[in-house]
Amino acid sequence: EDKVVQSPLSLVVHEGDTVTLNCSYEVTNFRSLLWYKQEKKAPTFLFMLTSSGIEKKSGRLSSILDKKELFSILNITATQTGDSAIYLCAQADRGSTLGRLYFGRGTQLTVWP
Amino acid sequence: ETGVTQTPRHLVMGMTNKKSLKCEQHLGHNAMYWYKQSAKKPLELMFVYNFKEQTENNSVPSRFSPECPNSSHLFLHLHTLQPEDSALYLCASSRSTKGTDNEQFFGPGTRLTVL
Repeated sequence: EDKVVQSPLSLVVHEGDTVTLNCSYEVTNFRSLLWYKQEKKAPTFLFMLTSSGIEKKSGRLSSILDKKELFSILNITATQTGDSAIYLCAQADRGSTLGRLYFGRGTQLTVWP
Repeated sequence: ETGVTQTPRHLVMGMTNKKSLKCEQHLGHNAMYWYKQSAKKPLELMFVYNFKEQTENNSVPSRFSPECPNSSHLFLHLHTLQPEDSALYLCASSRSTKGTDNEQFFGPGTRLTVL
């Protein structure tokens, strides 16, 4: 069973739409939650969230963490075709094996012109 | 460009071949990682090195053998692979494995096909 669960697995929208991507995680040993965007090959870092209720923002992208309900959302407003990618969510844990990230399966976002 | 490079970008090999994947980071980081990404599965962590020492081997078969000669270079030696090992192999690095220094930067990956 996956430790990190993302939904939806795929999403198709038109340019200008707003999308919300979801990520739920396990509380055990949780330290932080990370979002990555993967276009062709290399995932590129978007956000790291450690505190509940504090929104992180970068341009049209924003993300927030809810540590009570154990989920995070990634919002993209006014989507563009360049936003088409796989969005990955990952949980980083405390504990003896630091550095380990547990990834979800990703959300495949397709933005049509 | 993320500061992490991988070679080759594509590799096709037979089951009896021996090959190596190379990763180099130019970010001054101390931790490096190998991940495997297969279709429709989450990224799977394979190995973690921190200050050249292997800190994690995530039950990876011995046909995959990592090597970290220094903090900037990481290799993955491959021998007698199986077709199910075909995947995208991603290298990543971070400042360390601790605390908020664990933001990982990924290389472009090597697309491996085992015939």
